[in-house]
Amino acid sequence: GESVGLHLPTLSVQEGDNSIINCAYSNSASDYFIWYKQESGKGPQFIIDIRSNMDKRQGQRVTVLLNKTVKHLSLQIAATQPGDSAVYFCAENNGNAGNMLTFGGGTRLMVKP
Amino acid sequence: GAGVSQSPRYKVAKRGQDVALRCDPISGHVSLFWYQQALGQGPEFLTYFQNEAQLDKSGLPSDRFFAERPEGSVSTLKIQRTQQEDSAVYLCASSFWGAYSNQPQHFGDGTRLSIL
Repeated sequence: GESVGLHLPTLSVQEGDNSIINCAYSNSASDYFIWYKQESGKGPQFIIDIRSNMDKRQGQRVTVLLNKTVKHLSLQIAATQPGDSAVYFCAENNGNAGNMLTFGGGTRLMVKP
Repeated sequence: GAGVSQSPRYKVAKRGQDVALRCDPISGHVSLFWYQQALGQGPEFLTYFQNEAQLDKSGLPSDRFFAERPEGSVSTLKIQRTQQEDSAVYLCASSFWGAYSNQPQHFGDGTRLSIL
């Protein structure tokens, strides 16, 4: 079936730099996307979401960009901090009732002090 | 508490035993979801409730898996005659609104199930 995937399994950045985590999706019916952060031993933590009628949404230190033409989603983290080290998942709503999410395999972000 | 609570946090069972995993969603949340997460992978959908109604159970891997939410609040995921391939983290999530709402799902910390 259709699923969400990620380009880079591991991303290593220097503290203070900006991070960009990318995600490709294949379900053209998806109309809602979420980025989650998951630390070891914990559940996914909501970071930011975006609906398909938007191209960009900003939060605190994070920005999500949605390019529906190429079915691409990205998460930008400004001034990356050691506490940002975690696995990041993008997830899409499959457009069906119930809003079940389809997750990608995750990108591990490692922040070097 | 303010978040989704799951218990137990860890469960070890012998192959063939039955297990029951509990989820307390955020108070007032209409929708409740169960996901299964294998090591190093993203969560995979199992089943969905809107209040007490189980509207989607398409992700349950076999008839050994059963979920209920009888009063529209607490939910239990039961696995009968456990197999080694059932070993995973089982995550519960809830959201405030029901279907078509596009609301973020908030996750608990999961139950790590190990089948020996």
